[in-house]
Amino acid sequence: EPEVTQTPSHQVTQMGQEVILRCVPISNHLYFYWYRQILGQKVEFLVSFYNNEISEKSEIFDDQFSVERPDGSNFTLKIRSTKLEDSAMYFCASSWDRRTGELFFGEGSRLTVL
Amino acid sequence: QQQVKQSPQSLIVQKGGISIINCAYENTAFDYFPWYQQFPGKGPALLIAIRPDVSEKKEGRFTISFNKSAKQFSLHIMDSQPGDSATYFCAVDTSGTYKYIFGTGTRLKVLA
Repeated sequence: EPEVTQTPSHQVTQMGQEVILRCVPISNHLYFYWYRQILGQKVEFLVSFYNNEISEKSEIFDDQFSVERPDGSNFTLKIRSTKLEDSAMYFCASSWDRRTGELFFGEGSRLTVL
Repeated sequence: QQQVKQSPQSLIVQKGGISIINCAYENTAFDYFPWYQQFPGKGPALLIAIRPDVSEKKEGRFTISFNKSAKQFSLHIMDSQPGDSATYFCAVDTSGTYKYIFGTGTRLKVLA
């Protein structure tokens, strides 16, 4: 069964360092998302991406964040200068039809900022 | 940011019982309402979803009931099993831009 894969599963970094989280969405999907979840709390929307551009972003997704689809398979989230409060589980998701809310999530990347 | 409120926050049910989780929203721009299930250490996974041209949808032991006028929809888990113990999230497209906002989550524990 097709699945969304994310790397790394866990990353520890120092405050102020840059971090890149990587995702391989399901191959025939067209819409891509990043969500984050802090300590098992609610799942927060960060950004959606379609046709090589951002469709929608939340107020959390400030200038420190960026997304990119550098090739036909990877979808990355970059945090330029990490803060302590960026510590969270980051989930990548993809869908083939964005109208339905049927998002397929990866297993997540746990980011710990020290 | 618009809130999507779930209740209860946590729920303990005996095996074989019925689990009911509610979701209330302020506005939705697109009529499609999914529920997600999340096990510890895993990503959310789509469980069941409903279009509001129907008031109820059933898949196995899981049923969604939808009340458009009250802006609420509910997840019912019949014959709850210990394997159903997880956190459940509803999601709503509040802006019509396909930005699905997740509810606050309900942690369900089913006792054996």
